[in-house]
Amino acid sequence: AQSVTQLDSQVPVFEEAPVELRCNYSSSVSVYLFWYVQYPNQGLQLLLKYLSGSTLVKGINGFEAEFNKSQTSFHLRKPSVHISDTAEYFCAVSASNSGNTPLVFGKGTRLSVIA
Amino acid sequence: GAGVSQSPSNKVTEKGKDVELRCDPISGHTALYWYRQSLGQGLEFLIYFQGNSAPDKSGLPSDRFSAERTGGSVSTLTIQRTQQEDSAVYLCASSLAGTGAHEQYFGPGTRLTVT
Repeated sequence: AQSVTQLDSQVPVFEEAPVELRCNYSSSVSVYLFWYVQYPNQGLQLLLKYLSGSTLVKGINGFEAEFNKSQTSFHLRKPSVHISDTAEYFCAVSASNSGNTPLVFGKGTRLSVIA
Repeated sequence: GAGVSQSPSNKVTEKGKDVELRCDPISGHTALYWYRQSLGQGLEFLIYFQGNSAPDKSGLPSDRFSAERTGGSVSTLTIQRTQQEDSAVYLCASSLAGTGAHEQYFGPGTRLTVT
């Protein structure tokens, strides 16, 4: 079984400042890793994913994440945030050894960008 | 193309009533998932359909919950004898089958309120 821990439930940050949203996972098997974003009153949208290969993954809206197998982490970063980045961010994993499998989500991090 | 659609967008029901929530996946996607998003619990997996295989029902919280997928496309999640703790946003997602094709596309959700 897999589990995901998002260490911060809320992260306030000033506009144009950098941000890091932390995600750690545990799994007995290899995993795929995802970050999803949920804007107010909307569904989830994929930001980026790690399946294999380069551990630094670039996604939409200037976000990137780095897979660190030894630390079982997949932290999300953005060098300069905008007001429009205010949303809830979810880290998720799925087992990579059995085809399509349900995602296991963290409890989410609410990013608030302050003008 | 069209994304995942869900109906209704909002549903208010009285405790003890049955409700049906509908999901139309992206055309050609053989995998379909139901998740529940509630305060304090984050996103929880409920049930998963993959092609003609038997569904994975391991996430259903009680036998009051059931789902079906007709013709490999539209899915209906049914909650019988609703309770107040069933109040949540119910999200549907679909994805292509196949190794590496693990991106799940989410619908906007159905917000269920049990009074």
